[in-house]
Amino acid sequence: GAGVSQSPSNKVTEKGKDVELRCDPISGHTALYWYRQRLGQGLEFLIYFQGNSAPDKSGLPSDRFSAERTGESVSTLTIQRTQQEDSAVYLCASSLDRVVGTQYFGPGTRLLVL
Amino acid sequence: DQQVKQNSPSLSVQEGRISILNCDYTNSMFDYFLWYKKYPAEGPTFLISISSIKDKNEDGRFTVFLNKSAKHLSLHIVPSQPGDSAVYFCAASSKAAGNKLTFGGGTRVLVKP
Repeated sequence: GAGVSQSPSNKVTEKGKDVELRCDPISGHTALYWYRQRLGQGLEFLIYFQGNSAPDKSGLPSDRFSAERTGESVSTLTIQRTQQEDSAVYLCASSLDRVVGTQYFGPGTRLLVL
Repeated sequence: DQQVKQNSPSLSVQEGRISILNCDYTNSMFDYFLWYKKYPAEGPTFLISISSIKDKNEDGRFTVFLNKSAKHLSLHIVPSQPGDSAVYFCAASSKAAGNKLTFGGGTRVLVKP
């Protein structure tokens, strides 16, 4: 596809379970970003990847959150031992590179932790 | 500490009139500013951007103005159309920080026919 895709589109889980969210960036985009949007709030930066450089993890809220990226393609965001405050829409974006480039967003994964 | 603020949570405007959305920022390192539009259950869609070396950028019905001394930017939509009804987010980034976006809280725009 031409755009950023994310899966699953919706995820309901029980508190304490682990979840894994996936992002497929636009082909050729070397920079990939994860954000989250909690209800009624703006988007918060979580982590970004640029090529083979070390990721910037400065936005991850706790050590329960981690993310990986395989080369310049798919990324997965993992949340371990989910808590109710993790409920949010998790958005992935990609851009041509991290220096210049508009970020294009996927549709998001809506996570609900019961 | 919110580095990017949109002080108006909502805006209602008549079709055909101008919509003006405002955004303030505090971080003087920001060098690139963007506006995104978001419909429910969709990801944000890029609208328009402006570099800190400019004070105006225009694209069709959308114009963004940047006042660096006031650390303020605005988005003008003219004429407003019912399809413009959405939540609009202001975002800012800096090359030094890898272009990660810092978002405002959003302004919900309703364009009445």
